[in-house]
Amino acid sequence: NAGVTQTPKFQVLKTGQSMTLQCAQDMNHNSMYWYRQDPGMGLRLIYYSASEGTTDKGEVPNGYNVSRLNKREFSLRLESAAPSQTSVYFCASSLGSIGETQYFGPGTRLLVL
Amino acid sequence: GENVEQHPSTLSVQEGDSAVIKCTYSDSASNYFPWYKQELGKGPQLIIDIRSNVGEKKDQRIAVTLNKTAKHFSLHITETQPEDSAVYFCAAWKGRGGSNYKLTFGKGTLLTVNP
Repeated sequence: NAGVTQTPKFQVLKTGQSMTLQCAQDMNHNSMYWYRQDPGMGLRLIYYSASEGTTDKGEVPNGYNVSRLNKREFSLRLESAAPSQTSVYFCASSLGSIGETQYFGPGTRLLVL
Repeated sequence: GENVEQHPSTLSVQEGDSAVIKCTYSDSASNYFPWYKQELGKGPQLIIDIRSNVGEKKDQRIAVTLNKTAKHFSLHITETQPEDSAVYFCAAWKGRGGSNYKLTFGKGTLLTVNP
């Protein structure tokens, strides 16, 4: 099993450009999450999906949208990138209850100029 | 909402020594406390967790203790090795109810084990 995979690994955007970060898991997990990690800030939840077909806002949702395409895939979209969105983005998944034993992907490093 | 404080932010130890990282949480309803290890350039990986009905849990050189009364929990690593060098995150989860479904993470501790 590959676990949680994320694409791309690195991306450079100009302010105002849009992009979609892709995430997939092959563990048959019900719940999926998107976090951003900034120096000294730990991990902050952007959006999560408790199950296929549902999504909810986390701690820092502004400027982002998500799609739970199916049980395996959960994408994060930046419609108009801003320098404040420069960060490392992690996707995670968990089998059942929201918040328990989350498995993380390798991350996407995003630089917005 | 939940607030998790983690200390210290950096910790340097000699190989073979023990390392202790402490976290406090604010919401007494929190009942699940995982610890994650993040190596450079990688995603966080769960190393140990504890639930509120248990006071201590061990897994080889790693142990976690929980004091529900004081609302704090700690990670203990014994006989540290250079490969233990990483950033460690604690987290707290409240469980079902309202919109508080998320894990709240501490800000991390950079552990350096010197050979």
